[in-house]
Amino acid sequence: GQQLNQSPQSMFIQEGEDVSMNCTSSSIFNTWLWYKQDPGEGPVLLIALYKAGELTSNGRLTAQFGITRKDSFLNISASIPSDVGIYFCAGQGNTGNQFYFGTGTSLTVIP
Amino acid sequence: DAGVIQSPRHEVTEMGQEVTLRCKPISGHNSLFWYRQTMMRGLELLIYFNNNVPIDDSGMPEDRFSAKMPNASFSTLKIQPSEPRDSAVYFCASSRLLSGGYTFGSGTRLTVV
Repeated sequence: GQQLNQSPQSMFIQEGEDVSMNCTSSSIFNTWLWYKQDPGEGPVLLIALYKAGELTSNGRLTAQFGITRKDSFLNISASIPSDVGIYFCAGQGNTGNQFYFGTGTSLTVIP
Repeated sequence: DAGVIQSPRHEVTEMGQEVTLRCKPISGHNSLFWYRQTMMRGLELLIYFNNNVPIDDSGMPEDRFSAKMPNASFSTLKIQPSEPRDSAVYFCASSRLLSGGYTFGSGTRLTVV
């Protein structure tokens, strides 16, 4: 399957700080998704991106579809304790219909 | 909208036993996906259905795993016989379109002892 690498693998930040994470692929994707998973729950869709260069916000979250179509970025501004969780990227290309998921970035926010 | 409903939430079984996981997708969603999540391998797609038809089962680890979708509102994932290495969280997800974002269920945590 496709390889999606997320970085960093984990982050420990102070409440109020901004967060940046990214996802890179070996292949070109047409759609990028960002999910958040809370402990004991399934991933929840945060943002969907459909066009290269697209910048989309959802509250304090902003995600971008990379120009090369091989990467995507997620930023969280002014982090709060409830931002804690694992963030996954997912990409969908031309071949096949499934989304491939990244390895996840674990975020810990220290109050 | 009740979301994607999975049952049971937790399952503990002995090696060799049959395990059946259940999923009810969101009404109106015509694509359904089964994923397995482990620390080592992350989220792995096992199989997905479109309009109740299996499209890609290349992720099913071996013949011990089987999945069915007899109608638009129900799917099962069966493991027979189960092995300790099958221990993981199994997620079901559904979407309206194959290109749309998935909605995940809360998962079934399977422990095979």
